Amino acid sequence: DTAVSQTPKYLVTQMGNDKSIKCEQNLGHDTMYWYKQDSKKFLKIMFSYNNKELIINETVPNRFSPKSPDKAHLNLHINSLELGDSAVYFCASSPQTFSDYGYTFGSGTRLTVV
Amino acid sequence: SQKIEQNSEALNIQEGKTATLTCNYTNYSPAYLQWYRQDPGRGPVFLLLIRENEKEKRKERLKVTFDTTLKQSLFHITASQPADSATYLCAATSGSARQLTFGSGTQLTVLP
Repeated sequence: DTAVSQTPKYLVTQMGNDKSIKCEQNLGHDTMYWYKQDSKKFLKIMFSYNNKELIINETVPNRFSPKSPDKAHLNLHINSLELGDSAVYFCASSPQTFSDYGYTFGSGTRLTVV
Repeated sequence: SQKIEQNSEALNIQEGKTATLTCNYTNYSPAYLQWYRQDPGRGPVFLLLIRENEKEKRKERLKVTFDTTLKQSLFHITASQPADSATYLCAATSGSARQLTFGSGTQLTVLP
């Protein structure tokens, strides 16, 4: 059983397109997150959701929007893709709003914008 | 600004030795430090958490220390094995929002 699953694993698309990445967790966790890992392997938080409420929104472009239909899902929509959006995007979840116990990450979505 | 730094980008050690990785933080006082392991093409995997009032935490061959005076955490792997080769990430909660901020990682290679 995959605890945090992301789809697709690879995404290649042209500049200007709109795309979505889906994330689902079966751990019953309260909070979900999106992280971006750049080419230097640096992980930076983008969003987190707790019980359908956005609780952290880092300074990301408003072309990025998280959508959470329920506690188990947090999808990431990206409009008007740019070359600089190319990165690996990780979904994660944790059992509390501000986790003391560590995050569970998905396996990542490698986005390439051409 | 708040920053987490992992001093070494890469560390090579011989099998059986103890690997020691360093994590330094500046401009804030995290309540918790966490360590993760990341293998190529995979997401980070949680290893250990240590609180600011704890000096040391152990789990099997892993040991983490937290020195609030030096603003530093050390991560040790004893009796290292080639299977321990991976990138190790330090992460900390920051400020009142307690978001998890990651360092850039140290790539550990254990040589047989």
